[in-house]
Amino acid sequence: DAGVTQSPTHLIKTRGQQVTLRCSPISGHKSVSWYQQVLGQGPQFIFQYYEKEERGRGNFPDRFSARQFPNYSSELNVNALLLGDSALYLCASSLVGGEAREKLFFGSGTQLSVL
Amino acid sequence: QKEVEQNSGPLSVPEGAIASLNCTYSDRGSQSFFWYRQYSGKSPELIMFIYSNGDKEDGRFTAQLNKASQYVSLLIRDSQPSDSATYLCAVSGYSSASKIIFGSGTRLSIRP
Repeated sequence: DAGVTQSPTHLIKTRGQQVTLRCSPISGHKSVSWYQQVLGQGPQFIFQYYEKEERGRGNFPDRFSARQFPNYSSELNVNALLLGDSALYLCASSLVGGEAREKLFFGSGTQLSVL
Repeated sequence: QKEVEQNSGPLSVPEGAIASLNCTYSDRGSQSFFWYRQYSGKSPELIMFIYSNGDKEDGRFTAQLNKASQYVSLLIRDSQPSDSATYLCAVSGYSSASKIIFGSGTRLSIRP
């Protein structure tokens, strides 16, 4: 079975540009979470979606937005990129319901570099 | 105060010894606690979870939880060089069960 897939794997953008990152969850997983990981730090929570609705949001500016599609895949959008947005963006999927929702399975991430 | 705190390390342990990794959290109402392992250049992988006070064992790994002290630990017995990685403690916040909060991780090095 395929794990969580993310695309693209690497991305280089310049300040002020916009970027869209994509994620496909494990088959049967209906919850998708997005995390930002800066080198040397732990993942920082950005969003969680399930059943196509936002269920949680971290302390990120409104430049960050996301959505979930009927097939449970998800996109993370970041507008007006800043140098500080350079990081590894991780998508994690999980089952929905009770404790299973909290067991995250991560994709390999998208490495975003903002120049 | 950080919500989840870990010593960044590196923690160096001889092969075959017990590695002890510690984590404290600030939200007293937290319900669920996780340990993830992250190899360099890879994504985090869930290795242990614990919900109740006490110990939970799985193979060479033991997770320990003390809610009164807001303390979680991970013991790795018979440490192997393949255990060398960063270990991330994660907590599910009471105020928002959707939000899994990670510590900054402890880098563990097992020396042969």
